[in-house]
Amino acid sequence: DAGVTQSPTHLIKTRGQQVTLRCSPKSGHDTVSWYQQALGQGPQFIFQYYEEEERQRGNFPDRFSGHQYPNYSSELNVNALLLGDSALYLCASSLGRDAYGYTFGSGTRLTVV
Amino acid sequence: LAKTTQPISMDSYEGQEVNITCSHNNIATNDYITWYQQFPSQGPRFIIQGYKTKVTNEVASLFIPADRKSSTLSLPRVSLSDTAVYYCLVGAFDGDSWGKLQFGAGTQVVVTP
Repeated sequence: DAGVTQSPTHLIKTRGQQVTLRCSPKSGHDTVSWYQQALGQGPQFIFQYYEEEERQRGNFPDRFSGHQYPNYSSELNVNALLLGDSALYLCASSLGRDAYGYTFGSGTRLTVV
Repeated sequence: LAKTTQPISMDSYEGQEVNITCSHNNIATNDYITWYQQFPSQGPRFIIQGYKTKVTNEVASLFIPADRKSSTLSLPRVSLSDTAVYYCLVGAFDGDSWGKLQFGAGTQVVVTP
């Protein structure tokens, strides 16, 4: 049973560019959340998708957007990249009513130069 | 959302028991307490979750006093592979999902031979 799969694992972008990160949730999960983790800090919630809609959002600017597809996979898009966007981006999936927490992927390491 | 406070770091030797206490003075009636473990360059991994008293699984035990203003994660007989960051989270199931997870800085546990 595959867990959460994220791609790519590493990415280097130039300031001002746009980036798309991808996530395939664990089999059977229908909810996908995205987190940003800066070096030495805990993950920070970006947003959560369920039934192809964004239903919760953290304190992130509109440059951060997402999408969820009918097969529950998801994308995180970041426009106009800033140096401060350099971080580990984590995708977490869950089954809406599952009381046993989220399953995280290993993340995408984004470096903005 | 209830804020959590936990030690920044803890050191231990192999074979010892490690207890990490988390304070959550403003925990709400319907909040659960969840602990995650994170290794470098990996996503957090769910360890244990509880509401009150004591919960035990094959990995750890979680002790929650009656007032629920704190909780203690107990890792029995740690090994070198238990070296990781441990996060204490407090949050509620809203009837549809667990919503966003609020991570703090976590506790860095270092196990030495």
